[in-house]
Amino acid sequence: EVQLVQSGAEVKKPGESLKISCRGSKNSFTNYWIAWVRQMPGKGLEWMGIIYPGDSETKYSPSFQGQVTISADKSISTAYLQWSSLKASDTAMYYCATAEKHTSGYDYWGQGTLVTVSS
Amino acid sequence: QSVLTQPPSASGTPGQRVTISCSGSSSNIGSNTVHWYQQLPGTAPKLLIYSNNQRPSGVPDRFSGSKSGTSASLAISGLQSEDEADYYCAAWDESLNSVFGGGTKLTVL
Repeated sequence: EVQLVQSGAEVKKPGESLKISCRGSKNSFTNYWIAWVRQMPGKGLEWMGIIYPGDSETKYSPSFQGQVTISADKSISTAYLQWSSLKASDTAMYYCATAEKHTSGYDYWGQGTLVTVSS
Repeated sequence: QSVLTQPPSASGTPGQRVTISCSGSSSNIGSNTVHWYQQLPGTAPKLLIYSNNQRPSGVPDRFSGSKSGTSASLAISGLQSEDEADYYCAAWDESLNSVFGGGTKLTVL
């Protein structure tokens, strides 16, 4: 079973940068894809992008391309979601999740990281 | 506006059978498998059905999925109070990204 542990809640100001993390099970981290999913307050799930830590192949949603950066460090079994300049509209819960293939269902999910952006 | 269309709400009484639809297009549901997620209040989503009709280990057989053409459905039989949750369909789109439905809030009356 894969376990995903996400970094803690963040409170940031508009314009600030942020990098949140998702740490996976050490033994199999390079054998599956990791997706990032946004959920704005009271809203539905939005797919942001996905990365294969084994070779860092990354795919982005057109809605998030250029707005965020997805990366991974397989040496420490961790995936990241990064913003260079946060906006108030980035306030949301962010989940990471694993998939056997990029087209597969997401079978394991992190607990979520709440990001609040407010002046 | 989500790429996959779901009814915003559904309801049923305990013991009833409820279905939730998910409508897409040839570039997503028509070309790839559909997955369903259950999100209980205040928790992370959980994979309920994958590859159109497969249940992960531990998911009761009261939950079933089907797909036909560019549409899919999730059926819940023997409805229970603990099934009250938000349900989302998802599929890979040939434009090289995954898409979710807007979600359906299921109320058990």
